Amino acid sequence: AQSVTQPDIHITVSEGASLELRCNYSYGATPYLFWYVQSPGQGLQLLLKYFSGDTLVQGIKGFEAEFKRSQSSFNLRKPSVHWSDAAEYFCAVGIFSGGYNKLIFGAGTRLAVHP
Amino acid sequence: GAVVSQHPSRVICKSGTSVKIECRSLDFQATTMFWYRQFPKKSLMLMATSNEGSKATYEQGVEKDKFLINHASLTLSTLTVTSAHPEDSSFYICSARVPGLEPFFGPGTRLTVL
Repeated sequence: AQSVTQPDIHITVSEGASLELRCNYSYGATPYLFWYVQSPGQGLQLLLKYFSGDTLVQGIKGFEAEFKRSQSSFNLRKPSVHWSDAAEYFCAVGIFSGGYNKLIFGAGTRLAVHP
Repeated sequence: GAVVSQHPSRVICKSGTSVKIECRSLDFQATTMFWYRQFPKKSLMLMATSNEGSKATYEQGVEKDKFLINHASLTLSTLTVTSAHPEDSSFYICSARVPGLEPFFGPGTRLTVL
């Protein structure tokens, strides 16, 4: 069955430190992969996506992610975290099921940023 | 970028009443819309997928008679929570997409059933 695993439920980093959020997926076909960010009480904002091509993907707000097929991973990174990056981050895989393209989400990682 | 709106953003209702939530794609025509439910500090759970003019496809375990979905046009889908109970309290999020692009998400609706 298709699934997305985000091993880290909660991460705390200091402002200015680097960040890596882990994501592993399980899907038999070529995956479409996404990272979304959600601020409290808000909807989801797309940070970046991978469909094909270059496995290192650049997104908004200085984020990037690298697709590693051999590890079934799509980890999100940022070289220097800002206090405004504190939020919930969701990794998702796009699958084709039941006649539709759907998104399956991971459980999310809550990021806290210390000043 | 594409904008998806939801109305209302927050609703409080009494147990036993029905609540309708609207999802609109403001600047594009969405062939497919999705409804998600998010419990506190939890991930998004896909409830159903709908295409304009056809019946929604519900995910396993989702009661279609309780969560009525109507995709009336290419820019509007509605979710009606019928005979709401406190356990239906949740954050409901819709998304809309056109073929070839990723889905765009609405801001969500916070439902509280007293």
